[in-house]
Amino acid sequence: DADVTQTPRNRITKTGKRIMLECSQTKGHDRMYWYRQDPGLGLRLIYYSFDVKDINKGEISDGYSVSRQAQAKFSLSLESAIPNQTALYFCATSGVAPDTQYFGPGTRLTVL
Amino acid sequence: GQNIDQPTEMTATEGAIVQINCTYQTSGFNGLFWYQQHAGEAPTFLSYNVLDGLEEKGRFSSFLSRSKGYSYLLLKELQMKDSASYLCVEGGFQKLVFGTGTRLLVSP
Repeated sequence: DADVTQTPRNRITKTGKRIMLECSQTKGHDRMYWYRQDPGLGLRLIYYSFDVKDINKGEISDGYSVSRQAQAKFSLSLESAIPNQTALYFCATSGVAPDTQYFGPGTRLTVL
Repeated sequence: GQNIDQPTEMTATEGAIVQINCTYQTSGFNGLFWYQQHAGEAPTFLSYNVLDGLEEKGRFSSFLSRSKGYSYLLLKELQMKDSASYLCVEGGFQKLVFGTGTRLLVSP
C-alpha cells in the first residue's frame, strides 16, 4: 500500500464550487505539505503543517484553506474555485527538517 | 523556484553520461536535494547533499560545493526510463524550495 495517498486523483469542477482534496499518510511523519504544480513554474508551496496544532501559509495560500484533522490527515480546500486554480496538486510528508519529502500521487484539478 | 537556477531542457543518448547543473542562493542553506519526476507523476527522492563532495548511488551521483552555491547531478549509463524532469531542491529547516526542473530527454 502507498505511504501517502490522495483523493480524488482527478476532479473537474465549475467556477465558484467548493472543493476539498484529501491526503493521508502512514509514514508516521509529523510534517505535511500541500503544493501545486503548473507547467514551467515548478512546485509551489500552498500550506504546511508541522503538527496537528501548527498550520503555516506557504508562498501561494490565497484562495486556499487547510485542515489538519489528525497526524495522518491533511486536507486542502478551495472555498470558491476559479479557473486559474487548475493545476496538479501534491501532498507531501517529511520527518524533522531538513528531511526528504515523500509525495502522494497527485490530484489533477480542472476548474471550468 | 526562486533563487535556484538549472537548465530548462537537456538531451542525451542512451548509454551516455549527462550532468545537470544547479546553482542556488547560499543564505539559510541546509542541504541540497535532487528529485526525479516523470510527467504527470509525483516527484521521487534521488539524493541529498549537506557536505561538500560527491555522493554516489548506483548510476546516479550528486555533487555539492557550499561555498560556490553549486550542485550537479550526474547520470551514467543512461536508459530510456531516465527521460524525466530532475528537480534541484534547496532544503531549509522549515520547507524546501524547488527549482523549476530540467527536462531530460534520452534518445535511442
